[in-house]
Amino acid sequence: QKEVEQNSGPLSVPEGAIASLNCTYSDRGSQSFFWYRQYSGKSPELIMSIYSNGDKEDGRFTAQLNKASQYVSLLIRDSQPSDSATYLCAVSRAGSYQLTFGKGTKLSVIP
Amino acid sequence: EAGVAQSPRYKIIEKRQSVAFWCNPISGHATLYWYQQILGQGPKLLIQFQNNGVVDDSQLPKDRFSAERLKGVDSTLKIQPAKLEDSAVYLCASGGYEQYFGPGTRLTVT
Repeated sequence: QKEVEQNSGPLSVPEGAIASLNCTYSDRGSQSFFWYRQYSGKSPELIMSIYSNGDKEDGRFTAQLNKASQYVSLLIRDSQPSDSATYLCAVSRAGSYQLTFGKGTKLSVIP
Repeated sequence: EAGVAQSPRYKIIEKRQSVAFWCNPISGHATLYWYQQILGQGPKLLIQFQNNGVVDDSQLPKDRFSAERLKGVDSTLKIQPAKLEDSAVYLCASGGYEQYFGPGTRLTVT
């Protein structure tokens, strides 16, 4: 059973701080990695994708991938209350579009 | 660019009744997915279509769930008969490596 593990939280950070969200995966054949943001009562929204080891930055978001450790993380700098949501980690195998999701980490940014 | 459209947004039915959900993907997207998301869980893939063919339906409970994608565009997902444990949000997505989700249909089975 291919698994994606996330700490369910809640993770609480003060406004302006860095939020660090972590994800581990069991399938060494995983090739593509994604972070989705899901507000309560809404559908998942793609915010970051990463395909190679290292860091990828997009605005206040940085995704980090370490395939050797089977670990992917998302950093949110200068966290805002509007960042409060559940963050879902998703992975897919090489040559496949199918996503396996973790259960998500609930982030709460305290004003 | 219009996003993924789904209807209805909400549905309440009694157990053993049937229900159908509709999805229209982003224009030009050949691949369409149906997911089930139970409260507190991540989405779980039910079925993947490539154009109008099924790529993977290994997690679709075929004794009660069916799906089709006629003409390679719109898709419908049907549940018959529904069980209490089918209460969930049913999400449609389209795209390749990067998938984009519709607003979902929240199903409550009483």
